[in-house]
Amino acid sequence: AQKVTQAQTEISVVEKEDVTLDCVYETRDTTYYLFWYKQPPSGELVFLIRRNSFDEQNEISGRYSWNFQKSTSSFNFTITASQVVDSAVYFCALSVYGGATNKLIFGTGTLLAVQP
Amino acid sequence: NAGVTQTPKFQVLKTGQSMTLQCAQDMNHEYMSWYRQDPGMGLRLIHYSVGAGITDQGEVPNGYNVSRSTTEDFPLRLLSAAPSQTSVYFCASTRYREGAEAFFGQGTRLTVV
Repeated sequence: AQKVTQAQTEISVVEKEDVTLDCVYETRDTTYYLFWYKQPPSGELVFLIRRNSFDEQNEISGRYSWNFQKSTSSFNFTITASQVVDSAVYFCALSVYGGATNKLIFGTGTLLAVQP
Repeated sequence: NAGVTQTPKFQVLKTGQSMTLQCAQDMNHEYMSWYRQDPGMGLRLIHYSVGAGITDQGEVPNGYNVSRSTTEDFPLRLLSAAPSQTSVYFCASTRYREGAEAFFGQGTRLTVV
């Protein structure tokens, strides 16, 4: 069975603070994909990043960075120098290879509130 | 480029009523799916389709019906609405490729009273 756990339900920070959102996943598959999506207050879901199970390189995109560690089954997301516009619900999701079903298993999300 | 379009954005139903949530995509994606989002539960897969004429159940299919007559459209039908179906519904489309990211519609907020 596959599962994604986002233990942090809500995080509140002050602008310019760094913040890390945790994601722990479970799967017995050797080939899988991990995703982060952002859901701002307007409600849409915005794709941020995809990582496959064979690529453990960390990724940096501007103020965003992602740390993928297979040894701990984690795919954590760090926002550096947070801004009010980063306030959103962030979802981590898992997709496993198998018949190209592209099914996403989502975590329960982390609500990030960045205070000015 | 519209992407994934869902209608309506908001809907209130009475218990027992039926309705169809519409979803259309213009990206020629083979794979389409419906999720529901409930507080504290993330998004859960209701039904999905890998192409026209092919549908299958996800994690929470009871009370919902789908069909896929064209590549572009994937409507979700509530057969007899129940208060437990109060939720936000998202339609998504994906290229039929391993690990492809999903593109989501704007969501439909449904309240069943």
